[in-house]
Amino acid sequence: EVQLVQSGVEVKKPGESLKISCKGSGYNFDKYWIVWVRQQPGKGLEYMGVIYPGDSDTRNSPPFLGQVSISADRSLNTVYLQWSSLKVSDTALYYCARRSLDYQDGLDVWGQGTMVTVSS
Amino acid sequence: EIVLTQSPGTLSLSPGERATLSCRASQSITSYYLTWYQQKPGQAPRLLIFGASSRATGIPDRFSGSGSGTDFTLTISRLEPEDFGVYYCQQYERSSWLFGQGTKVEIK
Repeated sequence: EVQLVQSGVEVKKPGESLKISCKGSGYNFDKYWIVWVRQQPGKGLEYMGVIYPGDSDTRNSPPFLGQVSISADRSLNTVYLQWSSLKVSDTALYYCARRSLDYQDGLDVWGQGTMVTVSS
Repeated sequence: EIVLTQSPGTLSLSPGERATLSCRASQSITSYYLTWYQQKPGQAPRLLIFGASSRATGIPDRFSGSGSGTDFTLTISRLEPEDFGVYYCQQYERSSWLFGQGTKVEIK
């Protein structure tokens, strides 16, 4: 079964660092771009950035430049989203999703989401 | 920068009724990269329609997409109870995935 499995719920304080993960299985992980999407409470979907695990080529959406970093470990079939200093406004549900090779760059496989709460 | 505006914000309908959801782009976009997703409460989004009008594998034929240029439509011909949720349109361009703000389809 093709799937993306994300790491669990996180509760952090402002200023703390955090790294969440997204592990792929059931397909050739190296060959598909992985996208990160933010969903703030009660809000819509926002594209954050994308990485190609095969060579770690990474693109960040302008609003998130310098705010997060995206990385990959091919040996673990895992991509990461990382913050060096969290803000309260980073409280959100974060999804990873696979860029499809069949559906014209739509996002065809999604992780279950990682809820991040940042509060003092 | 392209903006995708979805309307209405909320659609209140009964099972069996037809739902028509709109996605308007601030400038002309290629329909090849226009995708629709469904998100149910507590779940990740699911890809429904790609290329503006093609159904993904396993998507029932009551879902259909149409449109070109700046105006795109998702139609659900007869709403089933499991169709209630939020629908997003999304456009891909140059390694960027832009989403509309969503339309909530709720039970009347």
